[in-house]
Order: sequence, then C-alpha cells, then structure tokens
Amino acid sequence: RKEVEQDPGPFNVPEGATVAFNCTYSNSASQSFFWYRQDCRKEPKLLMSVYSSGNEDGRFTAQLNRASQYISLLIRDSKLSDSATYLCVVNMGGYQKVTFGTGTKLQVIP
Amino acid sequence: SAVISQKPSRDICQRGTSLTIQCQVDSQVTMMFWYRQQPGQSLTLIATANQGSEATYESGFVIDKFPISRPNLTFSTLTVSNMSPEDSSIYLCSVAQGVGEQFFGPGTRLTVL
Repeated sequence: RKEVEQDPGPFNVPEGATVAFNCTYSNSASQSFFWYRQDCRKEPKLLMSVYSSGNEDGRFTAQLNRASQYISLLIRDSKLSDSATYLCVVNMGGYQKVTFGTGTKLQVIP
Repeated sequence: SAVISQKPSRDICQRGTSLTIQCQVDSQVTMMFWYRQQPGQSLTLIATANQGSEATYESGFVIDKFPISRPNLTFSTLTVSNMSPEDSSIYLCSVAQGVGEQFFGPGTRLTVL
C-alpha cells in the first residue's frame, strides 16, 4: 500500500460545480497534513494546511478524518483557474520531512 | 515565505556527464530538501541537506550518484553524476517552515540524451 494515495483523475467538471478529492495515508502516527497545488510545468505551492477541526479558505474546505486515515479537499463554485494537479502531503513524524501523494488532476471546463 | 531560486532552469546533457544544480534561499534555513519529479509523476525526496553535516539520503538514492553540498544556511547544490536518460526529470529544492509546510524553487528541467 502506498504511504499517501490519491485518485489520479482527471476530474473534468464544469465551471460552477463542486468537486471533492480524497487522499488516504497509511501511517496512523502522521501528524500534519497539507494540500498543495501544482500548475503545469510549475513548482508545487501550498494551498492549505489541514487541521483536525477542518478548515475553510474561501471556496476551499479541507477536512481530516483520523479514524479512517484520510483527508479531503472540497472546491465549491469551480473556476477555470482551479485547473491544476492537487497534491496531498503528509508529515509522518520526521521533522519537516513530508511525503507527497501522486496528485489528482482537475480540469474545469467552460 | 522564503524566496528560492535555482540555476540552471533547464539543461540538455549528454549521457555520462554530470550537472550541478544550485539552490539559493533569501533567508537562513536549517534544512533544505532535494526532490525529483519524473514526467507525469509526483515528487520523490532524494535527500535532506543539513548545514555542517552530511546529507541524509532516502532509500534508492546514494551519495555517489547525487552528491550534495551545503556550505552555508542559504545555499545548496545537487549534482547528478554520470547521467543516463533515466535521470531526465525535474529537480526541485525546497525549504520547510513549521512541521511540514514547504516552499519550492522553480525547478531545474533536465533532459539527458
């Protein structure tokens, strides 16, 4: 089983739609969780951290389910500019060292 | 967040040669990380570069193939040695903030012929 697993997609959704991605992780001792966004031919950039209580930033909501060992990212009212690959990232206990999922590709279509 | 630059941004190299990639950060950081991202895949950590000590390599990566220098708290280099076409990839350096938030350089796109 991969340490951090994501559905690679692609998810093709119309503008204005709501889309959700899940990510599962194997290490129950994992401490910190993040979603990154990577545009084509660019470096990954931090989108948001995922807290135990969940967190929301505008149209983006991230949640953590420790019991089932997954995190989720919900995007509401999708924009064309949301088209990117979304990477699930987990800190499994090593100081500042993280593990990247394979990414989920989102394509928002007009 | 830190501002990170990498040089070169891209290169095309012949097999058997070596390439050194430079990573410069605009602030002092304890740990710097080197990743590889092969076409269509996610990021794989090569090694952690610590100032004043040997780099720590991940499984599958060795110092002879990927020697790393970390002469000070704002700079690191990664060398890809004796290159083969399988080394064609994007190489990224990053620095961490907190317990896992990472900030990346723009990457070096390497093609080995």
